[in-house]
Amino acid sequence: SQQGEEDPQALSIQEGENATMNCSYKTSINNLQWYRQNSGRGLVHLILIRSNEREKHSGRLRVTLDTSKKSSSLLITASRAADTASYFCASRGGPGANNLFFGTGTRLTVIP
Amino acid sequence: DAGVIQSPRHEVTEMGQEVTLRCKPISGHNSLFWYRQTMMRGLELLIYFNNNVPIDDSGMPEDRFSAKMPNASFSTLKIQPSEPRDSAVYFCASSFIGRSGRGVGNSPLHFGNGTRLTVT
Repeated sequence: SQQGEEDPQALSIQEGENATMNCSYKTSINNLQWYRQNSGRGLVHLILIRSNEREKHSGRLRVTLDTSKKSSSLLITASRAADTASYFCASRGGPGANNLFFGTGTRLTVIP
Repeated sequence: DAGVIQSPRHEVTEMGQEVTLRCKPISGHNSLFWYRQTMMRGLELLIYFNNNVPIDDSGMPEDRFSAKMPNASFSTLKIQPSEPRDSAVYFCASSFIGRSGRGVGNSPLHFGNGTRLTVT
């Protein structure tokens, strides 16, 4: 991708289990964002974590950031079938850049 | 708020034809982004505008692609002539970037539902 990679590429879990997705990025960042994409739709912003933060929570979502490793993770707890979607991390295109580049995405399937 | 509106939702055209994709950003947003999504290459940033001015078009694949933003409420992405390898889903997104210029990292992008382009 232009900026980063997510892993795994695909993840299949049972409803109620937790799902963890990882993201690596290439350039320095001010912050990092996570997005969700349902099939046939545009991306929807989930959560933003700033570079001086290590962890952030929003409902069932937990995001961590390790700037020394240029990596982030998204944890969805107590997954639901409705969480089935693709998840992307996004970061700035470089120091001073005013654009966002997206990773390759993780396709999450939650089995009811 | 109606969100970012893209049209058409689907476009099927023959190789060599001109294709025009349209986008209406969210009112009040001052930045607009065009992305292309394919299975092979994922989401690629093609071009983005700030205050109607193209800032970075380095992602535009080649001269067959052009984008305009004549005013704050409308943008077009044109492909002329189209080729089968242009088949993809094209997304438009908008955001508000503050004067400091660091807003793109602080403000989320709002995406339209995309235009699925098929070139035969």
